[in-house]
Amino acid sequence: GDSVTQMEGPVTLSEEAFLTINCTYTATGYPSLFWYVQYPGEGLQLLLKATKADDKGSNKGFEATYRKETTSFHLEKGSVQVSDSAVYFCALSDLTDGNQFYFGTGTSLTVIP
Amino acid sequence: EAGVAQSPRYKIIEKRQSVAFWCNPISGHATLYWYQQILGQGPKLLIQFQNNGVVDDSQLPKDRFSAERLKGVDSTLKIQPAKLEDSAVYLCASSLDAGGQETQYFGPGTRLLVL
Repeated sequence: GDSVTQMEGPVTLSEEAFLTINCTYTATGYPSLFWYVQYPGEGLQLLLKATKADDKGSNKGFEATYRKETTSFHLEKGSVQVSDSAVYFCALSDLTDGNQFYFGTGTSLTVIP
Repeated sequence: EAGVAQSPRYKIIEKRQSVAFWCNPISGHATLYWYQQILGQGPKLLIQFQNNGVVDDSQLPKDRFSAERLKGVDSTLKIQPAKLEDSAVYLCASSLDAGGQETQYFGPGTRLLVL
């Protein structure tokens, strides 16, 4: 079945550091890939998405590229801020698997000043 | 645009009691989802509705969980009787349609503690 594996946290970075959160997936078809973010005390929000191979999703300085050859969708940001502290979830939706969403376990990021 | 609304935000019950959660999706969204998020894990889909019909309930523990979406708008999720392992955050999400590329919009969740 489909699944998502993301790097375990927690991750602690200093402000302005470079961020990478790894995400790899297993899917039977050609899934759409998503990054969701959950800020403290809030619900999940879509951060970015990519719907086909080589697409790059971007939002708020975050980027992720859909790499079919490595089945990856790593999240990156060049310079993190304290306000980026949150839990980040990688997810996929696969048309060939009933469009069900599969989420990774989440990676907690803390950015310190 | 109003987001997905859920209530209550918090609930504490004893095992074997029953509990119900309510969700009001974004206006016009045909698809509604209920997820269970256990601490330290990603959300797990429990049930998906398309309008007022069930699309997927394969991971819903049907001996104790039930959900309905009358009139294709609001939805309720019920647990009866609750077990200790049901302690989790229950998330409701909605999307315009059920297509794989559709963005899901999440509510704030209901945090359930079963004692």
